[in-house]
Amino acid sequence: GDSVTQMEGPVTLSEEAFLTINCTYTATGYPSPFWYVQYPGEGLQLLLKATKADDKGSNKGFEATYRKETTSFHLEKGSVQVSDSAVYFCALTPNRDDKIIFGKGTRLHILP
Amino acid sequence: KAGVTQTPRYLIKTRGQQVTLSCSPISGHRSVSWYQQTPGQGLQFLFEYFSETQRNKGNFPGRFSGRQFSNSRSEMNVSTLELGDSALYLCASSLTGAGESTEAFFGQGTRLTVV
Repeated sequence: GDSVTQMEGPVTLSEEAFLTINCTYTATGYPSPFWYVQYPGEGLQLLLKATKADDKGSNKGFEATYRKETTSFHLEKGSVQVSDSAVYFCALTPNRDDKIIFGKGTRLHILP
Repeated sequence: KAGVTQTPRYLIKTRGQQVTLSCSPISGHRSVSWYQQTPGQGLQFLFEYFSETQRNKGNFPGRFSGRQFSNSRSEMNVSTLELGDSALYLCASSLTGAGESTEAFFGQGTRLTVV
C-alpha cells in the first residue's frame, strides 16, 4: 500500500546549521507531497507542498522539491533557528481529495 | 476567520466506557477528517466525512465511528474504550478534501487518556 518513510530523529543541530530531513514514498495514482510541522502542544500546520513533479515548495526558509523519479520530497533549510524546534512530518495524498498518509515524524532540536 | 476547534482538549476515561469528541471545521469547509496520533504508530487516518457522508475510512475497528452534521460539524465516537485508545485525536478540515488543490487545516487535538 501507499506509505511514507522519513528519517528518524531526534535530530539535534546548532543554530544556523544546515538542515536536511529525508523523505521518500511509495504510492500509486497521482500523489501530492506535503510537509507538516507540529510545535509543542499544538496541532499540525502545513509547512509547504508540491503539486506536480519537479515543483519546489517553500515557506519560512524551508524548501522541498518533488522528485518523481526518486519518489522523494526532502526538506531543507539553509540556516535553522531555535524557533524551528518542532516535529516535522512528511506526508502525501495518494490521489486528489484523498486521505493524508503521514511519515512517522522527525523531532528537531535546535541548540542556541 | 476562526480555525478548527476541537472539544474537549483533554479527557480521562475508564476502560470500557465510551467517549464522543467534537470538531467544528472552518466556516465553509465541507470535508472533515479524523486522525489518531500515538508515539508508536504515529498519525493514522480514521475516516473522512464530506457533506454528511463518510467518504473514506481507515483500518480501525468498528468501535470507532463518526458522523457529520448539516453544518459540517463532526463528532467521533469510541465505544468500549481500551488502554490502547489513549492518543491525541486530531481533526482536519478542508474545502473539498485533502488533495493537491486544497489545504487541510488541523485543530489542536483532543488528548484522550484511558485508565
